[in-house]
Amino acid sequence: GQQVMQIPQYQHVQEGEDFTTYCNSSTTLSNIQWYKQRPGGHPVFLIQLVKSGEVKKQKRLTFQFGEAKKNSSLHITATQTTDVGTYFCAGSPGAGNNRKLIWGLGTSLAVNP
Amino acid sequence: DTGVSQDPRHKITKRGQNVTFRCDPISEHNRLYWYRQTLGQGPEFLTYFQNEAQLEKSRLLSDRFSAERPKGSFSTLEIQRTEQGDSAMYLCASSLGGGAYEQYFGPGTRLTVT
Repeated sequence: GQQVMQIPQYQHVQEGEDFTTYCNSSTTLSNIQWYKQRPGGHPVFLIQLVKSGEVKKQKRLTFQFGEAKKNSSLHITATQTTDVGTYFCAGSPGAGNNRKLIWGLGTSLAVNP
Repeated sequence: DTGVSQDPRHKITKRGQNVTFRCDPISEHNRLYWYRQTLGQGPEFLTYFQNEAQLEKSRLLSDRFSAERPKGSFSTLEIQRTEQGDSAMYLCASSLGGGAYEQYFGPGTRLTVT
């Protein structure tokens, strides 16, 4: 079946270090979304990427969508303790926008102050 | 507050009992999703609705689980004859449409089966 894999599963960094999580799909995606879940909270939407090779930035966060629309990455520059949480990618497989999202298992980020 | 709400926030029940959870989505959202999440895992898809129609139900879901969205607004998720393995956070999310739209999550209902 359709799968979305995320690596790494866990990442510990020192505050100020960079962090990257990668998302890979077994099938071409029409779009990919990224969510953040703080400890004890619920997933919160961060961004959506739609175009092949698209790059979007939100302050210290940079999101990329691969040329083949099968992979994506989230890079955080100079992590802060407020970045702690689990980052999920979720993709909509195939063409059209009517399909449900397929979720990755997430990357849990811990930041040591 | 115009976000997604869920009730109750916590439920403790004994094995074998039935439980029902409610989700109130954002009012103009026609898509409603139910997920289950256990510690350290991502949201596991259970089912979703387009208005009042249930479009898909996870094959992993046993017949003890049922969901409704009778008027295309709020939804209920019922678990019959609960088992300890049902202990999890049950999340509801809503969106304006399909996969191209962001999902807004409620705070979840934490179920503990003793």
